[in-house]
Amino acid sequence: SAVISQKPSRDICQRGTSLTIQCQVDSQVTMMFWYRQQPGQSLTLIATANQGSEATYESGFVIDKFPISRPNLTFSTLTVSNMSPEDSSIYLCSVEVASQAEKLFFGSGTQLSVL
Amino acid sequence: GENVEQHPSTLSVQEGDSAVIKCTYSDSASNYFPWYKQELGKGPQLIIDIRSNVGEKKDQRIAVTLNKTAKHFSLHITETQPEDSAVYFCAASPSGGSYIPTFGRGTSLIVHP
Repeated sequence: SAVISQKPSRDICQRGTSLTIQCQVDSQVTMMFWYRQQPGQSLTLIATANQGSEATYESGFVIDKFPISRPNLTFSTLTVSNMSPEDSSIYLCSVEVASQAEKLFFGSGTQLSVL
Repeated sequence: GENVEQHPSTLSVQEGDSAVIKCTYSDSASNYFPWYKQELGKGPQLIIDIRSNVGEKKDQRIAVTLNKTAKHFSLHITETQPEDSAVYFCAASPSGGSYIPTFGRGTSLIVHP
């Protein structure tokens, strides 16, 4: 398994500002992902964080709005830029480890509220 | 792409009863079906999974069944306890290559003491 530290756990932000969420894993992982979970909704994949290169974004998500970094195998950040109330969600970091392919491990999430 | 439907959206049971959550999927290429449990304020946690070469898998009070012909799979929880109260998500993914799972919309299970 993998222990994932995600912070902040929650934040309240003003419209137009940006928030950077950090994800730190205690071991090297093969894949890192960022998900969004809107209230009462399922888990929607935002992007796959690629080490040392640009993230791979899913349809409906763009780099200007959700820039992602992954400087090494154990750390990634997601920035929610120019926030609006519609960005209020839980954002989740998720990883896959080599020894347990296809199984995802999730961080505890960042609950974001935009006023 | 894959589409996963999950029912019911809410399930309320008495402690000790059984609970069943059902999912259907659309892509016949999917062959890995995990179930995740999300407790309040926490991230989802994998509780059981099944692959398409297996029809049923059991782990203590939790079991999952798969009907690949009908493209549906179910989670069964027996002798429910209050600590089973959580949101449960099913998912489906193809193996190999880009096997990112598609999640269902979740079932909120409430177990009343």
